[in-house]
Amino acid sequence: NAGVIQTPRHKVTGKGQEATLWCEPISGHSAVFWYRQTIVQGLEFLTYFRNQAPIDDSGMPKERFSAQMPNQSHSTLKIQSTQPQDSAVYLCASSLETGNQAPLFGEGTRLSVL
Amino acid sequence: QQQVRQSPQSLTVWEGETAILNCSYEDSTFDYFPWYRLFPGESPALLIAIRPVSNKKEDGRFTIFFNKREKKLSLHITDSQPGDSATYFCAASASSGSWQLIFGSGTQLTVMP
Repeated sequence: NAGVIQTPRHKVTGKGQEATLWCEPISGHSAVFWYRQTIVQGLEFLTYFRNQAPIDDSGMPKERFSAQMPNQSHSTLKIQSTQPQDSAVYLCASSLETGNQAPLFGEGTRLSVL
Repeated sequence: QQQVRQSPQSLTVWEGETAILNCSYEDSTFDYFPWYRLFPGESPALLIAIRPVSNKKEDGRFTIFFNKREKKLSLHITDSQPGDSATYFCAASASSGSWQLIFGSGTQLTVMP
C-alpha cells in the first residue's frame, strides 16, 4: 500500500514567487491534514479537509496561503508571494475516519525561500 | 497558551534503561492521544495511541500511562536502544471538535550505548 505521497520533495523559490505543494492521500482516507514543521515552532496545524470539504483552516496564515481539495485523490497547498519565513517542511497527513485513527504522514515537502 | 505540553525538552538515558517522556494537556474535551516518533530527515511516524477509556496502553517496549483526572500522560520506553534516539511528539485531539491534532513541542531522546 502506498502511503501519503507528497510532491515535490524539495522546492526552492525566490522571494515573492508562488509555490504549490501537492498531496495524494492514502486511497479511501476521508480526512486530509496539512501541517508545517520548523525547528522553532515545531509541528503547526494549518488546515484540514473531510470528504474534500474544508473543515478547519484556523492554522492557515490568512493572506498568502490557500488549500484546496478538488477531488478525493489530491489536495494542494498554495503559497503566494513566498517569504523567507515560509521556509519549512510542509507535511500532509490522511486518516480513514476522524475520531478513530491517527493521521499518517507523508514524507513532506521541504520549501526553501531564498 | 500551549494546549499540549511536553517535558523534558531533551532526555538522555543509557542503553537498557527506561526512558519516561511526559505530556500534559489543557482541554478536557481531548479524547485521543497519539504519540509520534520523528527521526531526522523523516516525517512523523505513529508510534502508539490511547483513549481515555483506558489508563494504560502497551505495545512491546512502549507503554502509555494515562491520568485523566490530572490531564497527564507519559510514554515509557523500556530497555531503551540507541535506535530509539529520536524526537517524540505527544498529540491530542477531540472527536467532538474539529479533529485537528494539537502537537506538543516534542522531547528529544538520546540513548547512549
